[in-house]
Amino acid sequence: DAGVTQSPTHLIKTRGQQVTLRCSPKSGHDTVSWYQQALGQGPQFIFQYYEEEERQRGNFPDRFSGHQFPNYSSELNVNALLLGDSALYLCASSLGPGTGGDTQYFGPGTRLTVL
Amino acid sequence: QKEVEQNSGPLSVPEGAIASLNCTYSDRGSQSFFWYRQYSGKSPELIMFIYSNGDKEDGRFTAQLNKASQYVSLLIRDSQPSDSATYLCAVNGNSGNTPLVFGKGTRLSVIA
Repeated sequence: DAGVTQSPTHLIKTRGQQVTLRCSPKSGHDTVSWYQQALGQGPQFIFQYYEEEERQRGNFPDRFSGHQFPNYSSELNVNALLLGDSALYLCASSLGPGTGGDTQYFGPGTRLTVL
Repeated sequence: QKEVEQNSGPLSVPEGAIASLNCTYSDRGSQSFFWYRQYSGKSPELIMFIYSNGDKEDGRFTAQLNKASQYVSLLIRDSQPSDSATYLCAVNGNSGNTPLVFGKGTRLSVIA
């Protein structure tokens, strides 16, 4: 049973650049949520995708955008990178709304460093 | 603003002892409660979830929920050095599949 996968593992960018992070959900899951975890903090919700649409969004600027593909995989895009965007970016997968399966399983994360 | 509060620690316990980790939450409508373990530099790993008031046991772990007090806890019996990690409490909203709201985590150190 394939778990949640993310790529790349690590990424180094400079201020102003753009980055794309990728996630494949756990087998059988159709919902992907993205979280940002700064050092010493708990994960903060960015947004959630279900049926290829953004369903919910946290308190993040429009520089953060995403996409979900028909195979349920997802991308997180961040434009105009700031130093403060340096963090561990986590993808979590779960079953869709109304299924009663709201348990979220996390991938290994992508460590983004902005210089 | 939905909040989840945890004591940041570190909580130090001797090997073989019971570790008690606590969490309070602000949204009275919260329905689902999760404990994740996170080793340094790694991603959160689900340990347990609990939906109903009372205790839920899984091996050495027991989750306790008291919705009236808006309090959830995790007990780890027979603590091992390998249990040393940060434990994150997460709370789901009052309808299915809402975003998880996390505490900042409690760092546990089990001393051999």
